[in-house]
Amino acid sequence: NAGVMQNPRHLVRRRGQEARLRCSPMKGHSHVYWYRQLPEEGLKFMVYLQKENIIDESGMPKERFSAEFPKEGPSILRIQQVVRGDSAAYFCASSPQRGDGYTFGSGTRLTVV
Amino acid sequence: DAKTTQPNSMESNEEEPVHLPCNHSTISGTDYIHWYRQLPSQGPEYVIHGLTSNVNNRMASLAIAEDRKSSTLILHRATLRDAAVYYCILDNFGNEKLTFGTGTRLTIIP
Repeated sequence: NAGVMQNPRHLVRRRGQEARLRCSPMKGHSHVYWYRQLPEEGLKFMVYLQKENIIDESGMPKERFSAEFPKEGPSILRIQQVVRGDSAAYFCASSPQRGDGYTFGSGTRLTVV
Repeated sequence: DAKTTQPNSMESNEEEPVHLPCNHSTISGTDYIHWYRQLPSQGPEYVIHGLTSNVNNRMASLAIAEDRKSSTLILHRATLRDAAVYYCILDNFGNEKLTFGTGTRLTIIP
């Protein structure tokens, strides 16, 4: 049973480009959470999704950031017009039920140059 | 969210027990105490969680104070692979998000 799969592991974007981060939850998990981790800091919650629904996006910046979890396929975190401050590690977690047994992926490290 | 307080860093010798403390004086009656750890360049990994009673699993033990205002994660015999940042997190059952602090960076000395 594969764990939470995130890709790419490393992503380099120039300022102004778009970044698309993908997360495939564990088999049987229908709840997905995205977190961001800046260097030397703890993880910060961004958004919680279930299939085709955004449940809580209270941690998501209001502009340039969006997330989706379609009926088929992985969850996508999209960052438009990236800036240097977006450089961070982005982690995805999944759970079988709300708030139960989180499993994290290995993250995508975004570098904006 | 109720807040936790942990030491920034700790060191321990290999093959010795490690006691990682966490204070959570504002814990509510329905808050579970979770511990995660994050190895370098990895995502957080679940370690253990508990509500009131002490808990044991294959990775660690969790000792919870009687008043629940503090807890201690116990690694019975530290190995070099236990070097990581350890996060103590309060999670109200059913809450959909975890609030991570800065954790305790554990260094294991060979």
